[in-house]
Amino acid sequence: SQQGEEDPQALSIQEGENATMNCSYKTSINNLQWYRQNSGRGLVHLILIRSNEREKHSGRLRVTLDTSKKSSSLLITASRAADTASYFCATDDNRLAFGKGNQVVVIPRGSYIPTFGRGTSLIVHP
Amino acid sequence: EAQVTQNPRYLITVTGKKLTVTCSQNMNHEYMSWYRQDPGLGLRQIYYSMNVEVTDKGDVPEGYKVSRKEKRNFPLILESPSPNQTSLYFCASSLLSGNTEAFFGQGTRLTVV
Repeated sequence: SQQGEEDPQALSIQEGENATMNCSYKTSINNLQWYRQNSGRGLVHLILIRSNEREKHSGRLRVTLDTSKKSSSLLITASRAADTASYFCATDDNRLAFGKGNQVVVIPRGSYIPTFGRGTSLIVHP
Repeated sequence: EAQVTQNPRYLITVTGKKLTVTCSQNMNHEYMSWYRQDPGLGLRQIYYSMNVEVTDKGDVPEGYKVSRKEKRNFPLILESPSPNQTSLYFCASSLLSGNTEAFFGQGTRLTVV
């Protein structure tokens, strides 16, 4: 069964903002890993944190691990449009088991985001 | 260059026609694994192998076979493909099982009609 469960499942932020996503798991672990996937491509390893570590940094990434709560968080600081991807946590569990992933969309600065009304249903009778 | 190579990248086939998706790694990794990825379900493990001649079922092994006759290759075999096996498949390898970085292939998009 899948071990990690990421939260939120989808996140949309403005370029420059920080993005935080969480992962919860069920059983004891030796380590937890975070991976990134660009649309339809293979996963790429980002960072590994061991069970005796509480926090780890790699560039703009910061990972925390709370083994008492069986949870981890991934923080991406000063997000860029190129950070748009899905992010997965994975636990060792003697075989690498992934969660369902967080989809993160980073909206480029200055982008126009239309705001929609509720819409109007039009019915044309014959 | 260290890599995991899957072939083919795209495949459309008909129900019941046996097919093999190949996976090869050049990093002398002991651990290899196959996953399928479907919308809303994340990555689910099909089979994994801790070393040569050692294979184990993952979460969704039904309808699949694998073999590990040599360290570098881990083919995924669908003896009689069905439409519910339409999916995006990934092969991965790592030096050891779960406690080292895994390297992924580029994926194989399979459609069974």
